[in-house]
Amino acid sequence: GEDVEQSLFLSVREGDSSVINCTYTDSSSTYLYWYKQEPGAGLQLLTYIFSNMDMKQDQRLTVLLNKKDKHLSLRIADTQTGDSAIYFCAERGLWGSSNTGKLIFGQGTTLQVKP
Amino acid sequence: DSGVTQTPKHLITATGQRVTLRCSPRSGDLSVYWYQQSLDQGLQFLIQYYNGEERAKGNILERFSAQQFPDLHSELNLSSLELGDSALYFCASSTGLQGTDTQYFGPGTRLTVL
Repeated sequence: GEDVEQSLFLSVREGDSSVINCTYTDSSSTYLYWYKQEPGAGLQLLTYIFSNMDMKQDQRLTVLLNKKDKHLSLRIADTQTGDSAIYFCAERGLWGSSNTGKLIFGQGTTLQVKP
Repeated sequence: DSGVTQTPKHLITATGQRVTLRCSPRSGDLSVYWYQQSLDQGLQFLIQYYNGEERAKGNILERFSAQQFPDLHSELNLSSLELGDSALYFCASSTGLQGTDTQYFGPGTRLTVL
């Protein structure tokens, strides 16, 4: 069935790089997303990658996708204290299936950035 | 600001009661999604509407129902509330068209059932 797994916690020092990992099971996933949730706030879209891509870079964010291993990672360069939040990866299935639009989320990774 | 609005921000009610959560999508978006975020279940998809019609259904309880109105706003109705329904309820919207169809989330409604 559909499942998305993430490690629950990551702690880094300010200025270091953070790498948040995610694995998924649905081989028909077409788009994979990273969302950020700050305390008391909604989900903010950070970036996404289409399943036929290996990598996408957007300023300090780099997304790597290993489709064979169904492994997705989000690298944040020069991590700042303002990056402290919960990061969710999510997959979306094949367009036109009965679950069109449904996002399957991981449990979220809490990123703690120490000054 | 994602452009998706949800009201109310907080809701406190008692078991057995019924509540209505409201969502207004981003301008131009035809699709609305409802998700529930709880400590034990994480973020779960409940239901999706596209231009007034139900498009996909997830783990939505029979006590819960939703609809999307002609002006595209949506309401999620929760009835016979139980303690376990306490959660953060998110609405998201997207164009609903094939392609990236990115979902943008509202700030959520925090429901507390006492």
